[in-house]
Amino acid sequence: EPEVTQTPSHQVTQMGQEVILRCVPISNHLYFYWYRQILGQKVEFLVSFYNNEISEKSEIFDDQFSVERPDGSNFTLKIRSTKLEDSAMYFCASSEFLYSNQPQHFGDGTRLSIL
Amino acid sequence: EDKVVQSPLSLVVHEGDTVTLNCSYEVTNFRSLLWYKQEKKAPTFLFMLTSSGIEKKSGRLSSILDKKELFSILNITATQTGDSAIYLCAVEGSGAGSYQLTFGKGTKLSVIP
Repeated sequence: EPEVTQTPSHQVTQMGQEVILRCVPISNHLYFYWYRQILGQKVEFLVSFYNNEISEKSEIFDDQFSVERPDGSNFTLKIRSTKLEDSAMYFCASSEFLYSNQPQHFGDGTRLSIL
Repeated sequence: EDKVVQSPLSLVVHEGDTVTLNCSYEVTNFRSLLWYKQEKKAPTFLFMLTSSGIEKKSGRLSSILDKKELFSILNITATQTGDSAIYLCAVEGSGAGSYQLTFGKGTKLSVIP
């Protein structure tokens, strides 16, 4: 069964450094999402992306964050200058298209640890 | 603000027991309610519910939605140790141009042999 893949599985970064998290969505999917889960807390929506632009973003997704689809397969989340509170599990998800009544499928996540 | 509340937050049962997990929600422009199972990593899709009163079943798992009372339940019969996981309820609501999921805190289910 096709799946969403994320790399790396674990990223350790010094505070203030830039980090890029990578995702390969399911190949026929058109909508892409990033969520994060701080340890012990809920999964929270960050951003959705369609047709090479952001569709929606949450309050968490401030100017430090950006997303990009640099080629036909990858979908990336960049955090420009990481803070301690960015430590979390970051999940990428994708879905087929908006009106298809198909669920979002999640990758295994990248655990980001900021030191 | 969209809100999803799950109960109980944790549950310990013995193998063979039947469990019911609850999810209540308030969301703008409701589109669907989804249940996911989260073991060590990715939330794995279980059910997507869009209509009231129609039960969805997959093996020992079933779920139903009540759009009038704004809740859903997830039932697991004849539980097995492999059912031990966090069960997440999420509601899909529409914004300007896409759908985003609002998650509950999850119910941690532990099944003891």
